[in-house]
Amino acid sequence: NAGVTQTPKFQVLKTGQSMTLQCAQDMNHNSMYWYRQDPGMGLRLIYYSASEGTTDKGEVPNGYNVSRLNKREFSLRLESAAPSQTSVYFCASSARTRAHEQFFGPGTRLTVL
Amino acid sequence: AQSVTQLDSQVPVFEEAPVELRCNYSSSVSVYLFWYVQYPNQGLQLLLKYLSGSTLVKGINGFEAEFNKSQTSFHLRKPSVHISDTAEYFCAVILMNRDDKIIFGKGTRLHILP
Repeated sequence: NAGVTQTPKFQVLKTGQSMTLQCAQDMNHNSMYWYRQDPGMGLRLIYYSASEGTTDKGEVPNGYNVSRLNKREFSLRLESAAPSQTSVYFCASSARTRAHEQFFGPGTRLTVL
Repeated sequence: AQSVTQLDSQVPVFEEAPVELRCNYSSSVSVYLFWYVQYPNQGLQLLLKYLSGSTLVKGINGFEAEFNKSQTSFHLRKPSVHISDTAEYFCAVILMNRDDKIIFGKGTRLHILP
């Protein structure tokens, strides 16, 4: 039981490049989330998916797209990376039967030059 | 609008001393309350949660928190901290009528002094 896994762990991009961050969970959770964490800002929700086939914008969705590929996987895409997207990205999942406890992945540290 | 305020961005405390990390929330509806901990270079993990019932909640690693509805607070306490408690702590709420999103505070960094 791996919980929530994220790939890659580290990434360096040049401005304008694109990339996809991958997230998978093996806990049969319905809901999945993408956050970014910046110093002094706490965690900010980028997008979330309450169930397979649905996605909704969070607090800071601009510059990102997501895909809920199936119940297990939820990917985050940066189409044209900008230095302002330098951050640590966390994926999380939750199941309503667990009173909404969120389980987090280890994070992806992204630097955009 | 709903919000979560952690009043201290950093809290230094000597090893074996007690600590309290403060959290206040603002909401027009009832909430579920959580504390998460983030150790260096790791993701967040649940420390404790309040859903209903007793207002004093006990969590992992000797932490506890008390829900005070009149003061809309959910402060985290530990009677004696250890160097291994060095981490960032996040208070969070979920609205009972909107159970698909969690609102996090900005975090409190706990520094344990030898």
